[in-house]
Amino acid sequence: GNSVTQMEGPVTLSEEAFLTINCTYTATGYPSLFWYVQYPGEGLQLLLKATKADDKGSNKGFEATYRKETTSFHLEKGSVQVSDSAVYFCALSDRRGSTLGRLYFGRGTQLTVWP
Amino acid sequence: NAGVTQTPKFQVLKTGQSMTLQCAQDMNHNSMYWYRQDPGMGLRLIYYSASEGTTDKGEVPNGYNVSRLNKREFSLRLESAAPSQTSVYFCASSDGPTPQKPQHFGDGTRLSIL
Repeated sequence: GNSVTQMEGPVTLSEEAFLTINCTYTATGYPSLFWYVQYPGEGLQLLLKATKADDKGSNKGFEATYRKETTSFHLEKGSVQVSDSAVYFCALSDRRGSTLGRLYFGRGTQLTVWP
Repeated sequence: NAGVTQTPKFQVLKTGQSMTLQCAQDMNHNSMYWYRQDPGMGLRLIYYSASEGTTDKGEVPNGYNVSRLNKREFSLRLESAAPSQTSVYFCASSDGPTPQKPQHFGDGTRLSIL
């Protein structure tokens, strides 16, 4: 089946620190991979995506590379800001049959950045 | 530039009451989804509609029904609310049921069942 495992939170960092949030997946086919971000009191927003192996998604200084050999899609940012404080979700979308287009989410990682 | 609009934003119900959560999108998207978000669980799919006129069960459909009223609107109904349905509910839409199309989310409905 399809599933996503991401690192447990919460993660607390100082401003300008380096961020990594680990994400690994299990999929029956060749999924597309996504990172979504949820700010307090809001819905989820797409942060970045990658649709095939070795693709790198990037947005707002965040990056993640689709690694088929390690079934991973780790989120990184070189220098976090207070405004990056949010919950981050890794997700995959299946390409097969009846589950086509459905998103499978990890449990989310709370990030807090202190000034 | 509304995107996905959910109503109401907050609701408190008593066990056994019924209610309908409304969702509308103005992006001309074909596919719509209902998720619930519980602490430490991520989002779980309740029902989805790949296109107008079709609906399918997701991971956790028990206790819910849906209606794809037209291309814009996709409602979620709780016929007899139970405390286990206390959650935050998110509606989402996408251009089509293909993996490359990202989903766009509403701001959620926070539902408490007493």
